[in-house]
Amino acid sequence: GAGVSQSPSNKVTEKGKDVELRCDPISGHTALYWYRQSLGQGLEFLIYFQGNSAPDKSGLPSDRFSAERTGGSVSTLTIQRTQQEDSAVYLCASSLAGYNQPQHFGDGTRLSIL
Amino acid sequence: GENVEQHPSTLSVQEGDSAVIKCTYSDSASNYFPWYKQELGKGPQLIIDIRSNVGEKKDQRIAVTLNKTAKHFSLHITETQPEDSAVYFCAARGKGYNNNDMRFGAGTRLTVKP
Repeated sequence: GAGVSQSPSNKVTEKGKDVELRCDPISGHTALYWYRQSLGQGLEFLIYFQGNSAPDKSGLPSDRFSAERTGGSVSTLTIQRTQQEDSAVYLCASSLAGYNQPQHFGDGTRLSIL
Repeated sequence: GENVEQHPSTLSVQEGDSAVIKCTYSDSASNYFPWYKQELGKGPQLIIDIRSNVGEKKDQRIAVTLNKTAKHFSLHITETQPEDSAVYFCAARGKGYNNNDMRFGAGTRLTVKP
């Protein structure tokens, strides 16, 4: 079946602009995660959605970052007033609800801030 | 919270040899340990996982061992092939109920030389 879909796959923008990244989770997955992966680094947790519960925003690095998930499905990650240090691959993952469910990742959006 | 360390950061082996990647974790209550393979330009893909009620799990050429007393777990790849070349990430899920307690290692870049 279809996996996690992210768009765009690549985004180049100028410093100071706002960007929106989209994630389409696997159908039926109620949990959704955003991670940031800088070049050659591991995964940095950003935000987590589970069903209708309040999201866990504890990983967001600044108030320029926000995310929403409409209708319990598609999610958008928004970065306002982008800075060069925001350049990274932004990965989305989804999973079934419940204990120890594996996360399934999309291929990410490679964001480059000029 | 959970802290995961992964070694080595890079590993080069000859085709046909075995490769071993090791991770340690800090939270003795951690109970779920997945391993991911990430190829260039792709998102991480789950290759094997283990739960804390077992000490070893095997799937064809891949095996994972868990030592709860020492708080470390390892990925073993036997009869390596060039297509095994990728970055491998370990992860550990902390004691919180939600899946957002997953913490990832920094990754191991495995190169299999033909």
